[in-house]
Amino acid sequence: DADVTQTPRNRITKTGKRIMLECSQTKGHDRMYWYRQDPGLGLRLIYYSFDVKDINKGEISDGYSVSRQAQAKFSLSLESAIPNQTALYFCATSVSGGNYGYTFGSGTRLTVV
Amino acid sequence: GENVEQHPSTLSVQEGDSAVIKCTYSDSASNYFPWYKQELGKGPQLIIDIRSNVGEKKDQRIAVTLNKTAKHFSLHITETQPEDSAVYFCAASSGGSTLGRLYFGRGTQLTVWP
Repeated sequence: DADVTQTPRNRITKTGKRIMLECSQTKGHDRMYWYRQDPGLGLRLIYYSFDVKDINKGEISDGYSVSRQAQAKFSLSLESAIPNQTALYFCATSVSGGNYGYTFGSGTRLTVV
Repeated sequence: GENVEQHPSTLSVQEGDSAVIKCTYSDSASNYFPWYKQELGKGPQLIIDIRSNVGEKKDQRIAVTLNKTAKHFSLHITETQPEDSAVYFCAASSGGSTLGRLYFGRGTQLTVWP
């Protein structure tokens, strides 16, 4: 099984619908992140959480919300999806206590029509 | 916050040649610089990293160099192979309130032609 699992892998939804992307990890890492990838724009941080009780906005949090249900689970919600939220979404994890590399999931490709 | 710029955005090389990708960062407090490789349909994967107390690090065909004075760091791939074709991202991380948060460059699409 993958260390960081994202579900679903692909999703097509309609404008205005609420959608949740889920991330779970078996790494035992405290820190979890949600990134969005668009062609030519790289990886942009949406939200991050350094532990279960800590939630922080990233660069592009408008239109998104998150929930850290447990150390191992971090969900991203689009309350009312719009077409410009069509993108590839990645969850990542890292250890705490300093600067360390991330472990990424395989991504969720979201299309809003 | 930190600003990381990455060049070039696309790079094509012949198999066996070397490839170099360069990044600059803005925050002099940054002290950790990882590089990620993203293959088609997959998430980014850490391939090498360097900390600010080291000027160069090698792992087989890949190496990373860091110039703290100039605030830039580079990824070097020697003897490139078609399987090196991927998108490469550099990143930087600083301390203080953002400790642990990575700031990414926009990526470089590397294509290795056989």
